[in-house]
Amino acid sequence: GENVEQHPSTLSVQEGDSAVIKCTYSDSASNYFPWYKQELGKGPQLIIDIRSNVGEKKDQRIAVTLNKTAKHFSLHITETQPEDSAVYFCAAFVYTGNQFYFGTGTSLTVIP
Amino acid sequence: DVKVTQSSRYLVKRTGEKVFLECVQDMDHENMFWYRQDPGLGLRLIYFSYDVKMKEKGDIPEGYSVSREKKERFSLILESASTNQTSMYLCASSLIPSGRAMAVDEQFFGPGTRLTVL
Repeated sequence: GENVEQHPSTLSVQEGDSAVIKCTYSDSASNYFPWYKQELGKGPQLIIDIRSNVGEKKDQRIAVTLNKTAKHFSLHITETQPEDSAVYFCAAFVYTGNQFYFGTGTSLTVIP
Repeated sequence: DVKVTQSSRYLVKRTGEKVFLECVQDMDHENMFWYRQDPGLGLRLIYFSYDVKMKEKGDIPEGYSVSREKKERFSLILESASTNQTSMYLCASSLIPSGRAMAVDEQFFGPGTRLTVL
């Protein structure tokens, strides 16, 4: 099955700095890569996603890049704010099995 | 807005009890999912369902069963709860148009149920 690895597991940045979270996947049948933000006491919420026919996608301060050859994708958050503090999960969807596989999460702390 | 609700936010049960976790979505989604979330392990799929009365095993189905009698409701059942089933349980739903190859759509998650088995 698919194996999604996520790094780092914890990340602390100063407010205003950038944060980068990286994920790798193993199954070339993965074709959709969402990123979720989970705040304390809440379920994960989609913040950005990218499909396998696209290399980069941006939404205001958040961007995702995908390198299909190397099988890795990254989340970039610029101008971080304290409200960005949360746990972030990456995921890969394997269309042959019709199933999502999740990374182990990154706890991001933005220090005011 | 899509809403996925779970019957309980916190639940405490004893070993051997039968436990029902309920999930309801209000957007007529075809697919529903049950995950468990554990520190350092991320989200792991227990079961999912494409349609009413349909179910598929995920990665960790042992010790669990599911029921989907109505499109909007997906239940997770622990037949005989054990301490290693203490976890956060997350329900999700998504809309995938039938017949579309390689189709995938956003998953919407509920707030989770934190289950403690003593």
